[in-house]
Amino acid sequence: AQKITQTQPGMFVQEKEAVTLDCTYDTSDPSYGLFWYKQPSSGEMIFLIYQGSYDQQNATEGRYSLNFQKARKSANLVISASQLGDSAMYFCAMREGPLTGANSKLTFGKGITLSVRP
Amino acid sequence: DTGVSQDPRHKITKRGQNVTFRCDPISEHNRLYWYRQTLGQGPEFLTYFQNEAQLEKSRLLSDRFSAERPKGSFSTLEIQRTEQGDSAMYLCASSLNTGSNEKLFFGSGTQLSVL
Repeated sequence: AQKITQTQPGMFVQEKEAVTLDCTYDTSDPSYGLFWYKQPSSGEMIFLIYQGSYDQQNATEGRYSLNFQKARKSANLVISASQLGDSAMYFCAMREGPLTGANSKLTFGKGITLSVRP
Repeated sequence: DTGVSQDPRHKITKRGQNVTFRCDPISEHNRLYWYRQTLGQGPEFLTYFQNEAQLEKSRLLSDRFSAERPKGSFSTLEIQRTEQGDSAMYLCASSLNTGSNEKLFFGSGTQLSVL
């Protein structure tokens, strides 16, 4: 089974509007972390936001927030007030287990393309 | 802080040739990761180092692949006898081990094309 699932086709949003990018995950480990990264056309992956499995509050970082629904195993990214520079690929990723030894790697989804229209 | 640097940005080679990529992490970061990304896919984990020790290797890393981080600073990834299936973007990332919310900082990658 896929550990990270991102099934939305290319997403379009009007500048200044909000958009939600979906991510579902699969793990049996009670301890895990969820991440969102942005990859513009330059290729560099840019960290956006992190949510830990034991965090009580949804994570927020500026215009980014993470809608964490643990029972549904979903971790959707919400971008408020979209800007033209938000056009990029967005990847959801998961780290399973406590941060020791072999549990450090991230597993990424296939990504979602977001295009912001002026 | 100049970020993670990868060299070269692009590499074109013929099948059967050996190639080597270099990654210079952020200076104070003790962890260094290599990922591979093919078109339309997310990055796939290859291997990672904590300081100079290689702690994990993916099964994707066949015996044609070898990675080193000799003094716990820069790292090299070598692919021997390249195959067309090796064509991909090779991404390097570094981090400072801060616990479960460890953030990876990525370089811009090396795009490999095997003809």
